Amino acid sequence: KAGVTQTPRYLIKTRGQQVTLSCSPISGHRSVSWYQQTPGQGLQFLFEYFSETQRNKGNFPGRFSGRQFSNSRSEMNVSTLELGDSALYLCASSLAAGTSPVNEQYFGPGTRLTVT
Amino acid sequence: LAKTTQPISMDSYEGQEVNITCSHNNIATNDYITWYQQFPSQGPRFIIQGYKTKVTNEVASLFIPADRKSSTLSLPRVSLSDTAVYYCLVGDIGQTGANNLFFGTGTRLTVIP
Repeated sequence: KAGVTQTPRYLIKTRGQQVTLSCSPISGHRSVSWYQQTPGQGLQFLFEYFSETQRNKGNFPGRFSGRQFSNSRSEMNVSTLELGDSALYLCASSLAAGTSPVNEQYFGPGTRLTVT
Repeated sequence: LAKTTQPISMDSYEGQEVNITCSHNNIATNDYITWYQQFPSQGPRFIIQGYKTKVTNEVASLFIPADRKSSTLSLPRVSLSDTAVYYCLVGDIGQTGANNLFFGTGTRLTVIP
């Protein structure tokens, strides 16, 4: 079974630009969560989508947004990029709610975003 | 979500058993305890999960005392490839079934030859 895939793997953008990252979950997984990882802040939850609906959201500004398509693939968008947005962006997928073990998420390799 | 406290770092020699303890004093009745492993530039990987007593799988054991205010991840006979950051997470998927994991600072384990 193929794992979680994220594209692109590496990205360099300049301040003020916008970026879209893509995530394809494991087949059959309907929940997709996004996380930001930086050396200073560690792993932080951005948002989660389930059946095309945002189900939960972390404490990030509105410049960070996402969506999920009917095939469970998800995209994350960051507008008006700032230097502090440089990070590893991780996508994780999981089965529908209520499955066991709970909180078992499968992470992708991440997209390394560098903002210059 | 209950906050967790772990040692920032640990060193161990190859072949030894490593025990990483996590404190979670505010754990709720419905919370599970989950451990993830992360290698540099990779996403975290699920290791083990438990609710109470002891859980064992092919890579680790998880010990949870009766009061559930702490837990210990045990890695038997570590090898160099076990060098990674280990995260202890506490929580459930909530009433809405939302999956939002809170990763603390984790424990950086370094295995020495």
